[in-house]
Amino acid sequence: RKEVEQDPGPFNVPEGATVAFNCTYSNSASQSFFWYRQDCRKEPKLLMSVYSSGNEDGRFTAQLNRASQYISLLIRDSKLSDSATYLCVVFPIPGTSYDKVIFGPGTSLSVIP
Amino acid sequence: EAGVAQSPRYKIIEKRQSVAFWCNPISGHATLYWYQQILGQGPKLLIQFQNNGVVDDSQLPKDRFSAERLKGVDSTLKIQPAKLEDSAVYLCASSPAPGGVGNTIYFGEGSWLTVV
Repeated sequence: RKEVEQDPGPFNVPEGATVAFNCTYSNSASQSFFWYRQDCRKEPKLLMSVYSSGNEDGRFTAQLNRASQYISLLIRDSKLSDSATYLCVVFPIPGTSYDKVIFGPGTSLSVIP
Repeated sequence: EAGVAQSPRYKIIEKRQSVAFWCNPISGHATLYWYQQILGQGPKLLIQFQNNGVVDDSQLPKDRFSAERLKGVDSTLKIQPAKLEDSAVYLCASSPAPGGVGNTIYFGEGSWLTVV
């Protein structure tokens, strides 16, 4: 099993649609989780952190399920500008035998007019 | 606040040639990372520095790749000799704390390498 896996995509959705991405991680000792956004030929940029209680930022909602070891990102009312690749990122507990920051392979989203 | 600076932005070289990339992290960030991202894949960590010491270089192809971070600030990543499969974008990133715990990782714009 890969350390971090994401929905393979690509996701092609119409404007205004709601879309959800899932990410699973293999190490239960992982500590922090983030969603990054990467536009075509650009560097990854932080979209939002993922907290156990769930968190929302405008049209974006992130959820963490530690028991099942998965993270989700929900985008409501999709805009054309949301078209990008979304990367799930898992941060470890430092000083453990598993201390690398791991990026998922990314899920590509295209929002269509 | 100035971001992570990288140069050159683009480089085209022939196989078996050498290339070097430079990175200047965000001021005060102790941790510096070099990632390799091949088109269509997520970033893969090549090496992680904590100040001027190496924390993790398990995925660095040491027969051809080398990196250093003298004085715990700037870093260079060198490839010698380059292979066709080294064509990728090389992302430098930094964070205030090891592993980014309690913080996050900030990326530079990347150095795009094409090996022909």
